[in-house]
Amino acid sequence: GESVGLHLPTLSVQEGDNSIINCAYSNSASDYFIWYKQESGKGPQFIIDIRSNMDKRQGQRVTVLLNKTVKHLSLQIAATQPGDSAVYFCAENRPGNTPLVFGKGTRLSVIA
Amino acid sequence: EPEVTQTPSHQVTQMGQEVILRCVPISNHLYFYWYRQILGQKVEFLVSFYNNEISEKSEIFDDQFSVERPDGSNFTLKIRSTKLEDSAMYFCASSDEAGAYEQYFGPGTRLTVT
Repeated sequence: GESVGLHLPTLSVQEGDNSIINCAYSNSASDYFIWYKQESGKGPQFIIDIRSNMDKRQGQRVTVLLNKTVKHLSLQIAATQPGDSAVYFCAENRPGNTPLVFGKGTRLSVIA
Repeated sequence: EPEVTQTPSHQVTQMGQEVILRCVPISNHLYFYWYRQILGQKVEFLVSFYNNEISEKSEIFDDQFSVERPDGSNFTLKIRSTKLEDSAMYFCASSDEAGAYEQYFGPGTRLTVT
């Protein structure tokens, strides 16, 4: 069935290294994607989004890449810090005012 | 920075009891949502609300659930007769655009049904 999923459930990186979190989506008609960060006991926090007419978008220390050919989304975090430790979710919005569909999440652990 | 707030942060209730979870969306937002997250699982959509009516609901949102915007600031989720499987984090979200663009989430209410 249609789904948004993640390749890696856990990711450990050294402080200062770059992190890459991946996400696969199955609906080629999806037109909007968001990355959320969720710290323990808190709600999802918006990080960055991208629309399907783009293939790259940069924010502060974060970059989202969208490859529509293979239906793949990634979140790159530069110079990962201990405060980046959290679960990261990708979510997609399908056309027609449908709600966000979330993936299962990847836990990022930053090793000091 | 404006944020979505939710109360209470934790609600414990007995099976069969009614609960009301409260949210105050960002003030200029027009679209409101409830999601839930069972421990260790992904966030699941429950219902969206716009212009004082439900826009869309998932199959989770059965007759035991209802939503209301009783005044200009609050948005509530009521569970009429709670079940054990309703135990989860419930997140309210709001956005100022049609569809799901840039939804901002509240901190959540942890509901524990015993």
